[in-house]
Amino acid sequence: SQELEQSPQSLIVQEGKNLTINCTSSKTLYGLYWYKQKYGEGLIFLMMLQKGGEEKSHEKITAKLDEKKQQSSLHITASQPSHAGIYLCGADGGAQKLVFGQGTRLTINP
Amino acid sequence: GAVVSQHPSWVICKSGTSVKIECRSLDFQATTMFWYRQFPKQSLMLMATSNEGSKATYEQGVEKDKFLINHASLTLSTLTVTSAHPEDSSFYICSARGPFQGNYEQYFGPGTRLTVT
Repeated sequence: SQELEQSPQSLIVQEGKNLTINCTSSKTLYGLYWYKQKYGEGLIFLMMLQKGGEEKSHEKITAKLDEKKQQSSLHITASQPSHAGIYLCGADGGAQKLVFGQGTRLTINP
Repeated sequence: GAVVSQHPSWVICKSGTSVKIECRSLDFQATTMFWYRQFPKQSLMLMATSNEGSKATYEQGVEKDKFLINHASLTLSTLTVTSAHPEDSSFYICSARGPFQGNYEQYFGPGTRLTVT
């Protein structure tokens, strides 16, 4: 079965700094999705990557999928307090299912 | 955008009682709804998938008789935790997807925090 490993599990950065979160798959990814979750709330869809080497950006967040389609990274530039939360990568697990990584808890210190 | 609501947002119940959680798609018809469970500092674990008008498909290890799922309409699914025990305390999140939508197009509810005392 598909398994996703995220690193780091938690991250504390100073406001204004850049940061990167990684998501590694045990199998080739045919769809990799990034979500953000605020503590105790539901998930907000951020981006979807499907092609090897694909890169997408939205505001200060950039997500990439490597050529082999087994690893994705989420990069935040000039972090802000609003970026704080839990970031989860998700992937197609077959049969309509999504499987998720364990999440990365991001804290932004002012 | 598509909105999914959950009710209640939090609930405390006594051990042995049953609790019902509702998941509603407010502005679209959800042909498929998913129920997830999330323990503190852990990821979402899919419990079951339900398609409107048919029985839910449960993931391995999830007790069907304990977690009753009903998806009787295109806008409502319910999860009933029967004979709840403290180990059932968790954060339950539903998501909904309309027809012809990809896997990632699941719209998530805000979650329900269940505490069993």
